[in-house]
Amino acid sequence: GQSLEQPSEVTAVEGAIVQINCTYQTSGFYGLSWYQQHDGGAPTFLSYNALDGLEETGRFSSFLSRSDSYGYLLLQELQMKDSASYFCAVRRNAGNMLTFGGGTRLMVKP
Amino acid sequence: GAGVSQSPSNKVTEKGKDVELRCDPISGHTALYWYRQSLGQGLEFLIYFQGNSAPDKSGLPSDRFSAERTGGSVSTLTIQRTQQEDSAVYLCASSWDQGTAYEQYFGPGTRLTVT
Repeated sequence: GQSLEQPSEVTAVEGAIVQINCTYQTSGFYGLSWYQQHDGGAPTFLSYNALDGLEETGRFSSFLSRSDSYGYLLLQELQMKDSASYFCAVRRNAGNMLTFGGGTRLMVKP
Repeated sequence: GAGVSQSPSNKVTEKGKDVELRCDPISGHTALYWYRQSLGQGLEFLIYFQGNSAPDKSGLPSDRFSAERTGGSVSTLTIQRTQQEDSAVYLCASSWDQGTAYEQYFGPGTRLTVT
Protein backbone atom coordinates (compact mmCIF):
# COMPACT_ATOMS: atom_id res chain seq x y z
CA GLY A 1 0.00 0.00 0.00
CA GLN A 2 0.90 3.64 0.12
CA SER A 3 0.97 6.19 2.89
CA LEU A 4 1.93 9.83 3.19
CA GLU A 5 2.42 11.64 6.47
CA GLN A 6 2.19 15.40 6.92
CA PRO A 7 1.63 17.50 10.04
CA SER A 8 -2.02 18.42 10.29
CA GLU A 9 -1.41 22.02 11.27
CA VAL A 10 1.41 24.57 11.37
CA THR A 11 1.34 28.14 12.66
CA ALA A 12 3.88 30.84 11.83
CA VAL A 13 4.15 34.62 11.86
CA GLU A 14 4.23 36.94 8.92
CA GLY A 15 7.72 37.34 7.47
CA ALA A 16 8.99 34.09 8.95
CA ILE A 17 10.12 30.86 7.26
CA VAL A 18 8.16 27.64 7.63
CA GLN A 19 8.91 24.08 6.55
CA ILE A 20 6.16 21.53 5.88
CA ASN A 21 7.42 17.96 5.92
CA CYS A 22 6.11 14.97 4.05
CA THR A 23 7.20 11.37 4.51
CA TYR A 24 5.95 8.64 2.26
CA GLN A 25 5.90 4.89 1.88
CA THR A 26 5.15 3.58 -1.56
CA SER A 27 6.41 1.18 -4.16
CA GLY A 28 7.53 2.48 -7.52
CA PHE A 29 8.07 6.04 -6.32
CA TYR A 30 8.61 8.44 -9.19
CA GLY A 31 8.19 11.96 -7.82
CA LEU A 32 6.62 14.26 -5.26
CA SER A 33 4.28 17.16 -6.02
CA TRP A 34 3.06 19.97 -3.80
CA TYR A 35 -0.31 21.74 -4.04
CA GLN A 36 -1.82 24.72 -2.26
CA GLN A 37 -5.52 25.00 -1.48
CA HIS A 38 -7.19 28.04 0.04
CA ASP A 39 -10.42 27.51 1.97
CA GLY A 40 -13.24 26.98 -0.49
CA GLY A 41 -10.85 27.00 -3.43
CA ALA A 42 -9.36 24.51 -5.83
CA PRO A 43 -5.92 22.97 -5.31
CA THR A 44 -3.22 24.68 -7.34
CA PHE A 45 0.11 23.17 -8.34
CA LEU A 46 3.21 24.56 -6.63
CA SER A 47 6.17 22.33 -7.45
CA TYR A 48 7.41 18.88 -8.38
CA ASN A 49 10.57 16.97 -7.48
CA ALA A 50 11.61 13.82 -9.29
CA LEU A 51 15.30 14.04 -8.34
CA ASP A 52 17.01 14.57 -5.02
CA GLY A 53 17.67 18.16 -4.10
CA LEU A 54 16.08 21.54 -3.83
CA GLU A 55 13.82 23.21 -6.40
CA GLU A 56 13.27 26.92 -5.93
CA THR A 57 10.37 28.94 -7.26
CA GLY A 58 10.30 32.43 -5.84
CA ARG A 59 9.45 32.37 -2.14
CA PHE A 60 8.64 28.66 -2.28
CA SER A 61 11.17 25.81 -2.44
CA SER A 62 10.67 22.08 -2.40
CA PHE A 63 13.15 19.41 -1.39
CA LEU A 64 13.30 15.67 -1.97
CA SER A 65 15.43 12.90 -0.54
CA ARG A 66 14.54 9.63 -2.25
CA SER A 67 16.78 7.59 0.04
CA ASP A 68 14.95 8.91 3.10
CA SER A 69 11.46 8.83 1.47
CA TYR A 70 11.11 12.40 2.61
CA GLY A 71 10.38 15.79 1.18
CA TYR A 72 9.49 19.24 2.37
CA LEU A 73 8.02 22.48 1.19
CA LEU A 74 9.77 25.63 2.39
CA LEU A 75 7.92 28.92 2.42
CA GLN A 76 9.95 32.06 2.99
CA GLU A 77 8.93 35.63 3.80
CA LEU A 78 5.51 34.40 4.83
CA GLN A 79 2.54 36.53 3.90
CA MET A 80 -0.99 36.43 5.23
CA LYS A 81 -2.18 35.14 1.86
CA ASP A 82 -0.06 32.02 2.36
CA SER A 83 -2.60 30.83 4.94
CA ALA A 84 -3.96 27.73 3.22
CA SER A 85 -3.72 23.96 3.20
CA TYR A 86 -0.70 22.37 1.58
CA PHE A 87 -0.76 18.85 0.18
CA CYS A 88 2.09 16.60 -0.85
CA ALA A 89 1.26 14.00 -3.49
CA VAL A 90 3.21 10.97 -4.68
CA ARG A 91 3.49 10.01 -8.31
CA ARG A 92 4.21 6.32 -8.92
CA ASN A 93 5.83 4.45 -11.80
CA ALA A 94 6.02 7.43 -14.20
CA GLY A 95 2.34 7.01 -14.17
CA ASN A 96 -0.80 8.73 -14.44
CA MET A 97 -2.06 9.28 -10.92
CA LEU A 98 -1.22 11.14 -7.78
CA THR A 99 -1.87 9.93 -4.27
CA PHE A 100 -2.43 12.87 -1.94
CA GLY A 101 -1.51 13.27 1.70
CA GLY A 102 -4.02 14.52 4.24
CA GLY A 103 -2.76 18.09 3.99
CA THR A 104 -1.16 20.59 6.35
CA ARG A 105 -3.16 23.63 7.37
CA LEU A 106 -0.84 26.64 7.60
CA MET A 107 -1.98 29.62 9.61
CA VAL A 108 0.02 32.80 9.22
CA LYS A 109 -0.41 35.31 12.02
CA PRO A 110 0.48 39.01 11.98
CA GLY B 1 -12.46 28.25 -21.42
CA ALA B 2 -9.21 29.07 -19.73
CA GLY B 3 -9.56 26.61 -16.89
CA VAL B 4 -11.33 23.46 -15.77
CA SER B 5 -15.02 24.05 -15.22
CA GLN B 6 -17.46 21.98 -13.21
CA SER B 7 -21.20 22.05 -12.82
CA PRO B 8 -23.22 22.38 -10.77
CA SER B 9 -21.23 24.22 -8.14
CA ASN B 10 -23.60 22.99 -5.45
CA LYS B 11 -26.01 20.08 -5.42
CA VAL B 12 -28.41 19.11 -2.65
CA THR B 13 -30.16 15.82 -3.13
CA GLU B 14 -32.24 13.40 -1.13
CA LYS B 15 -30.85 10.07 -0.08
CA GLY B 16 -31.56 7.45 -2.70
CA LYS B 17 -31.61 9.83 -5.67
CA ASP B 18 -29.13 9.72 -8.54
CA VAL B 19 -26.87 12.68 -9.34
CA GLU B 20 -24.71 13.65 -12.29
CA LEU B 21 -21.70 15.90 -11.96
CA ARG B 22 -20.07 17.44 -15.01
CA CYS B 23 -16.46 18.36 -15.76
CA ASP B 24 -15.12 20.30 -18.72
CA PRO B 25 -11.31 20.01 -18.83
CA ILE B 26 -8.82 22.47 -20.28
CA SER B 27 -8.84 22.28 -24.07
CA GLY B 28 -6.08 20.00 -25.31
CA HIS B 29 -5.62 18.15 -22.03
CA THR B 30 -5.89 14.44 -22.64
CA ALA B 31 -5.81 13.27 -19.03
CA LEU B 32 -8.78 13.80 -16.70
CA TYR B 33 -9.13 12.87 -13.04
CA TRP B 34 -11.94 12.81 -10.50
CA TYR B 35 -11.31 13.19 -6.77
CA ARG B 36 -13.47 13.42 -3.69
CA GLN B 37 -12.64 15.65 -0.72
CA SER B 38 -14.45 15.53 2.58
CA LEU B 39 -14.32 18.55 4.88
CA GLY B 40 -10.80 19.14 6.16
CA GLN B 41 -9.48 16.01 4.51
CA GLY B 42 -7.15 15.15 1.66
CA LEU B 43 -8.09 14.26 -1.87
CA GLU B 44 -9.34 10.76 -2.52
CA PHE B 45 -8.71 9.52 -6.06
CA LEU B 46 -11.78 8.15 -7.82
CA ILE B 47 -11.14 7.59 -11.53
CA TYR B 48 -8.73 8.57 -14.30
CA PHE B 49 -9.17 8.89 -18.06
CA GLN B 50 -6.32 9.08 -20.58
CA GLY B 51 -7.25 9.74 -24.17
CA ASN B 52 -9.23 6.86 -25.63
CA SER B 53 -7.81 4.27 -23.26
CA ALA B 54 -9.96 2.36 -20.82
CA PRO B 55 -10.35 4.40 -17.62
CA ASP B 56 -8.62 3.48 -14.38
CA LYS B 57 -11.54 2.93 -12.01
CA SER B 58 -9.48 1.63 -9.11
CA GLY B 59 -10.55 4.44 -6.76
CA LEU B 60 -14.30 4.18 -7.15
CA PRO B 61 -15.68 3.35 -3.68
CA SER B 62 -18.64 1.26 -4.82
CA ASP B 63 -20.55 0.19 -7.89
CA ARG B 64 -22.94 3.08 -7.31
CA PHE B 65 -20.23 5.32 -8.77
CA SER B 66 -19.52 5.48 -12.49
CA ALA B 67 -18.02 7.96 -14.91
CA GLU B 68 -17.72 8.45 -18.61
CA ARG B 69 -15.84 10.76 -20.87
CA THR B 70 -17.31 11.61 -24.23
CA GLY B 71 -15.20 12.54 -27.21
CA GLY B 72 -12.08 12.72 -25.09
CA SER B 73 -13.31 15.92 -23.49
CA VAL B 74 -16.28 16.42 -21.16
CA SER B 75 -16.70 13.93 -18.35
CA THR B 76 -19.71 13.03 -16.21
CA LEU B 77 -19.50 11.40 -12.78
CA THR B 78 -22.72 9.62 -11.82
CA ILE B 79 -23.63 8.53 -8.31
CA GLN B 80 -26.64 6.25 -8.07
CA ARG B 81 -28.81 5.81 -4.99
CA THR B 82 -26.90 8.47 -3.09
CA GLN B 83 -26.08 7.95 0.57
CA GLN B 84 -25.28 10.50 3.25
CA GLU B 85 -21.64 9.40 3.28
CA ASP B 86 -21.40 10.54 -0.35
CA SER B 87 -21.61 14.15 0.85
CA ALA B 88 -18.32 15.81 -0.13
CA VAL B 89 -16.73 18.14 -2.64
CA TYR B 90 -16.10 16.39 -5.94
CA LEU B 91 -13.10 17.80 -7.76
CA CYS B 92 -12.15 17.30 -11.37
CA ALA B 93 -8.65 17.91 -12.71
CA SER B 94 -6.90 17.65 -16.05
CA SER B 95 -3.32 17.50 -17.29
CA TRP B 96 -1.72 17.59 -20.72
CA ASP B 97 -1.18 13.86 -20.67
CA GLN B 98 -0.17 11.11 -18.31
CA GLY B 99 3.44 12.26 -18.50
CA THR B 100 2.49 15.50 -16.78
CA ALA B 101 0.27 13.90 -14.15
CA TYR B 102 2.39 15.63 -11.53
CA GLU B 103 0.93 18.99 -12.59
CA GLN B 104 -2.84 18.82 -12.54
CA TYR B 105 -5.21 21.73 -13.03
CA PHE B 106 -8.26 21.57 -10.81
CA GLY B 107 -11.77 22.83 -11.27
CA PRO B 108 -13.66 24.65 -8.50
CA GLY B 109 -15.49 21.48 -7.50
CA THR B 110 -19.08 20.44 -6.93
CA ARG B 111 -20.25 20.44 -3.33
CA LEU B 112 -22.66 17.53 -2.93
CA THR B 113 -24.95 17.37 0.07
CA VAL B 114 -27.11 14.30 0.57
CA THR B 115 -29.97 14.85 3.01
